[in-house]
Amino acid sequence: SQTIHQWPATLVQPVGSPLSLECTVEGTSNPNLYWYRQAAGRGLQLLFYSVGIGQISSEVPQNLSASRPQDRQFILSSKKLLLSDSGFYLCAWRRGRTGHTGELFFGEGSRLTVL
Amino acid sequence: DAKTTQPPSMDCAEGRAANLPCNHSTISGNEYVYWYRQIHSQGPQYIIHGLKNNETNEMASLIITEDRKSSTLILPHATLRDTAVYYCIVLNAGGTSYGKLTFGQGTILTVHP
Repeated sequence: SQTIHQWPATLVQPVGSPLSLECTVEGTSNPNLYWYRQAAGRGLQLLFYSVGIGQISSEVPQNLSASRPQDRQFILSSKKLLLSDSGFYLCAWRRGRTGHTGELFFGEGSRLTVL
Repeated sequence: DAKTTQPPSMDCAEGRAANLPCNHSTISGNEYVYWYRQIHSQGPQYIIHGLKNNETNEMASLIITEDRKSSTLILPHATLRDTAVYYCIVLNAGGTSYGKLTFGQGTILTVHP
């Protein structure tokens, strides 16, 4: 069966510090991968998606970047965090070719607080 | 992708059916209706999807009107664990959508004992 792992689950970072959130998927190959963010009291916003290794599409301009160094690994990064980067970050995957377009599987999320 | 409208909140008694409506009056012919739910502090969970026929799985039923301008998610016997935010999403089934879901505010369903 397929599983998705996201870490760390919770972190508190000072403004200006770097960030690295990691997501890995097991039990599948060539998945589409996604990073979403949910700010307090707001809906989920798509940040990045990837259809393959090294292929990253950004949905909104921001202080964050994403990378996909391996087929089932997706990393969200920032060089200098802003207060507005606080939120609940969710990684998700979809079967790349055989899955239905809108059936995504989400991780448990990483809650980031920037102070 | 078409925009959806959902009531901000609904209540349901435990053991009764929960009927969650969604309006998507601008839906086009190749757009599917998806439902997800998000329990507090967890990632969203896929529930069901449909194009124009009614669908049922182990979690819920999806009723889509004949003109496809609205749909209803039915949880046949709601339990306390069904308390969550429910999202109705319309998505183009074409390859260029890449599964990019647009989440609105959803409906907060509260199931009472």
